[in-house]
Amino acid sequence: DGGITQSPKYLFRKEGQNVTLSCEQNLNHDAMYWYRQDPGQGLRLIYYSQIVNDFQKGDIAEGYSVSREKKESFPLTVTSAQKNPTAFYLCASARRRGAGRAEETQYFGPGTRLLVL
Amino acid sequence: SQQGEEDPQALSIQEGENATMNCSYKTSINNLQWYRQNSGRGLVHLILIRSNEREKHSGRLRVTLDTSKKSSSLLITASRAADTASYFCATDAGGGSNYKLTFGKGTLLTVNP
Repeated sequence: DGGITQSPKYLFRKEGQNVTLSCEQNLNHDAMYWYRQDPGQGLRLIYYSQIVNDFQKGDIAEGYSVSREKKESFPLTVTSAQKNPTAFYLCASARRRGAGRAEETQYFGPGTRLLVL
Repeated sequence: SQQGEEDPQALSIQEGENATMNCSYKTSINNLQWYRQNSGRGLVHLILIRSNEREKHSGRLRVTLDTSKKSSSLLITASRAADTASYFCATDAGGGSNYKLTFGKGTLLTVNP
């Protein structure tokens, strides 16, 4: 799991509630990513950030929001607009190489499992 | 749509046997990577092969890439029970200054002792 931590390991959400998943890295990586994984499925990109104070929507951004105020942190908020939030959420980071591109290899955290009460 | 699609979806073998997993993709790529995921855990990077490479080795892993067929294979030799995990291929989305990977649905490998 490298130098990336995610908390909590399990998170329970009530109807209409916003919840925030934490992702912190001490690898000095510029790029950070949030993925959603449903049972038996691959990873789908929610949001990503190449640099502090900037982020882009991924393939399934609706119902989610992020911030990138610090290089080390990239929290993900699952809003009440996300009607089917039950999933395994994975955060990843990558170095930034020349020409503004992130290095190809991504390093993943241990994940947060979100369940709806 | 999924850029990478692994085949088979599930594979069960005996310890000591070789395991081969395949990945097909649809568009041109800069590189293709393989990751491993133990149940309920994060992904771990295994190996990266660039579009101008045909074969790459790392320990018991061998990866091939055929850009004309838009396919890759991951071979694990002399498998061990500890190799039991899901294996994903990932391709870059290409172009631009923003970099992101697209993952397939994975192959679940079970190695029986």
